[in-house]
Amino acid sequence: DGGITQSPKYLFRKEGQNVTLSCEQNLNHDAMYWYRQDPGQGLRLIYYSQIVNDFQKGDIAEGYSVSREKKESFPLTVTSAQKNPTAFYLCACIGAGGWDEQFFGPGTRLTVL
Amino acid sequence: AQSVSQHNHHVILSEAASLELGCNYSYGGTVNLFWYVQYPGQHLQLLLKYFSGDPLVKGIKGFEAEFIKSKFSFNLRKPSVQWSDTAEYFCAVIKDTDKLIFGTGTRLQVFP
Repeated sequence: DGGITQSPKYLFRKEGQNVTLSCEQNLNHDAMYWYRQDPGQGLRLIYYSQIVNDFQKGDIAEGYSVSREKKESFPLTVTSAQKNPTAFYLCACIGAGGWDEQFFGPGTRLTVL
Repeated sequence: AQSVSQHNHHVILSEAASLELGCNYSYGGTVNLFWYVQYPGQHLQLLLKYFSGDPLVKGIKGFEAEFIKSKFSFNLRKPSVQWSDTAEYFCAVIKDTDKLIFGTGTRLQVFP
């Protein structure tokens, strides 16, 4: 069953700790994206990667880091430098057909206490 | 500058009322446009998309949207809403060919 998965669904961390959110896809898609969703602000692009070992900053990259060592994986680390990390995080991937072939993960809700 | 604007932040309707949610974009050139829906506690789902061709696009669940290039708009419509349409709706545009930029969303509440 092909798709995109994010784990865990809910994540709690203490302030000052780094935390890594998982995003995995078995669709063989090259491009992967991370979005942050906050009430009243929609989804904002954090980082994206068009190919393995390459990634670009989105609109709100400060306080976040990513890696793309494998095609199927695009983990997002929320660092202690992120001033307001509590949010809903969505991962997406697109296929060779571009945005005509897009998949969104179920999301991870991160709460920093 | 914001690339996508959704001016209706919260819309409240009764069942059977008609719906129109506004979406304006400020990005020039060729545009690819999308509407998404997020039901409470559920994944983001693609409602419809416009890439080219007929500017009136039909989507799932009876939704449609019209691309009006001269107005930089891509408004979402449904002739008769149902209680089950209660959700948050997002408009989005492709920017620079590789970035999907979302609007701030419109929360729709439909009362029986």
